[in-house]
Amino acid sequence: DIQMTQSPSTLSASVGDRVTITCRASQNIYNWLAWYQQKPGKAPKFLIYKASSLQSGVPSRFSGSGSGTEYTLTISSLQSDDFATYYCQQAKSYPLTFGGGTKVEIK
Amino acid sequence: DVQLVESGGGLVQPGGSLRLSCGASGFTFSSSWMSWVRQAPGKGLEWVANIKEDGSVKYYLDSMKGRLTISRDNARNSLYLQMNSLRVDDTAVYYCARDYRDDHFFAYWGQGALVTVSS
Repeated sequence: DIQMTQSPSTLSASVGDRVTITCRASQNIYNWLAWYQQKPGKAPKFLIYKASSLQSGVPSRFSGSGSGTEYTLTISSLQSDDFATYYCQQAKSYPLTFGGGTKVEIK
Repeated sequence: DVQLVESGGGLVQPGGSLRLSCGASGFTFSSSWMSWVRQAPGKGLEWVANIKEDGSVKYYLDSMKGRLTISRDNARNSLYLQMNSLRVDDTAVYYCARDYRDDHFFAYWGQGALVTVSS
């Protein structure tokens, strides 16, 4: 199984901050990575696929990068609506696996 | 608009069974891989099973294999998850999700169905 490790698990930031979340895979996943945002009591929202492609309708302040085993999600200027938990997910092989999540909190 | 609506959640005793349903609309259901993803209370996301467009291929999380059956009825635009021999640690919100482009990224999600396994 491919293990996905996110860091940090919690991040405190202020509106306007640049925020970076890291996701490491236990083996090369060849950019088969997605990012999701989840708010309490809600279903996850699809943000980025194939490591760096922005889903339609997602604000351009979100971006993804990386390759091989290391990937990042960056929010260029954090907005109040962005306080949430973020998950990465690999789709390279079964079982499909998610990272443990990164909670972005208000500082 | 794509809509996925789960139903069938509830309280079940350990060892019991439950069948979840997911009604789909706003897209060509018969052309999409579909998945179930669960989330235990206060925990992260865990993929559980998926099924190919025509139902001919199915994959399961190993730890649940033998206790789960995923199925679909393309004529009814519906996805199902039959869960047997349920355990307390199966307690979770179960989400129905649609692939983005047969790539096993989950572009669309239902609102979730809560399954509580407790005596």
